[in-house]
Amino acid sequence: DAMVIQNPRYQVTQFGKPVTLSCSQTLNHNVMYWYQQKSSQAPKLLFHYYDKDFNNEADTPDNFQSRRPNTSFCFLDIRSPGLGDAAMYLCATSYKQGAYNEQFFGPGTRLTVL
Amino acid sequence: AQKITQTQPGMFVQEKEAVTLDCTYDTSDQSYGLFWYKQPSSGEMIFLIYQGSYDEQNATEGRYSLNFQKARKSANLVISASQLGDSAMYFCAMREVNMFSGGYNKLIFGAGTRLAVHP
Repeated sequence: DAMVIQNPRYQVTQFGKPVTLSCSQTLNHNVMYWYQQKSSQAPKLLFHYYDKDFNNEADTPDNFQSRRPNTSFCFLDIRSPGLGDAAMYLCATSYKQGAYNEQFFGPGTRLTVL
Repeated sequence: AQKITQTQPGMFVQEKEAVTLDCTYDTSDQSYGLFWYKQPSSGEMIFLIYQGSYDEQNATEGRYSLNFQKARKSANLVISASQLGDSAMYFCAMREVNMFSGGYNKLIFGAGTRLAVHP
């Protein structure tokens, strides 16, 4: 089945130690998104890729970076995780055109910072 | 700026009964889309239903229906015949279309409503 896959499902890192979360999709969608969701809060968009074009949200900290080497894969890099970066990170994809542009979400990666 | 408001932090419903989850939105755009997502404790966001601003009929998907009242800017989710597996967090979201970026759809989420279904 076509889907959005996130690895790992659970990630533990140390304060200040760089960490990378991965997302892959078999939907061949043009747009890939990264959301941060803290406990009991709504998902918050960090950035997205439209094909190879990177679009950063204005309030996304510089500590967060992203890479999209090809259509299928997208990575979230946290350069120096702080305790406040502990959250669920959700990857999503959508097809670029059409009035109906549902976003398909992966299962998420829950990040713990020690 | 666009905004989604979900005023019910938590809701309880008896199994097999219907429940309505409220959602109001604010936008100056004429063209927009409204989504409902379900998030179980496992964390995955599951798409439930979509309503376009120009759709004349209320959207329905199985046990889910969307009570869309455009003049009041509300898009309430109705779940009929609740099941224990419906216990989850429910998010209302609005699609903001950025026409300068090829039409990608940024989702603006509400704060969510936690639904508990009791046997």
